[in-house]
Amino acid sequence: GQQLNQSPQSMFIQEGEDVSMNCTSSSIFNTWLWYKQDPGEGPVLLIALYKAGELTSNGRLTAQFGITRKDSFLNISASIPSDVGIYFCAGRSTHTTQGGSEKLVFGKGTKLTVNP
Amino acid sequence: EAGVTQFPSHSVIEKGQTVTLRCDPISGHDNLYWYRRVMGKEIKFLLHFVKESKQDESGMPNNRFLAERTGGTYSTLKVQPAELEDSGVYFCASSRSETSYQETQYFGPGTRLLVL
Repeated sequence: GQQLNQSPQSMFIQEGEDVSMNCTSSSIFNTWLWYKQDPGEGPVLLIALYKAGELTSNGRLTAQFGITRKDSFLNISASIPSDVGIYFCAGRSTHTTQGGSEKLVFGKGTKLTVNP
Repeated sequence: EAGVTQFPSHSVIEKGQTVTLRCDPISGHDNLYWYRRVMGKEIKFLLHFVKESKQDESGMPNNRFLAERTGGTYSTLKVQPAELEDSGVYFCASSRSETSYQETQYFGPGTRLLVL
């Protein structure tokens, strides 16, 4: 089945540092998504990417959809303590005329710890 | 607008017992998904409802798992009999049914199931 390789598995950084994480796959995805999960909560969508080569920002977060459609990265600039959590990449393999009807394939997550 | 809700938040049962998880999607969302995350691994797709119909149940592990969505509103996921490997966090997600492929899946907080 389809798999996403997400790295790194965990990161320990100091407040103010920049963070980078990425996902790769042997399969092509038409949509790449980045979610964040806080303890005791469900994943929350941070950034969605729909076109190969697309670079999208959301505040201090920047993500790119790889040109081969097999990879994506997420950067967080000037990290703050509330950035702590688990970050998941997810891919969806097809565009459909009925939005949201395709299952998501997730990476294993990157656990981020930010030291004040 | 209320988010996706799940009940119970935690469940501890013994091997061989039965557990039923419930998900209430966002009002008006036709698409309902079940996912599961076993500790340290990726979030994996279980199945997808469109209204009351099962659109895709390719991720269901075996016939000990039964999902229903009578009336196309809330959904239940029953595990009977539960095995040790069923332990994990069960997430429910929902999305609207529109023609745009950019529709977001909104996740609930999850049910943490521990089978002893």
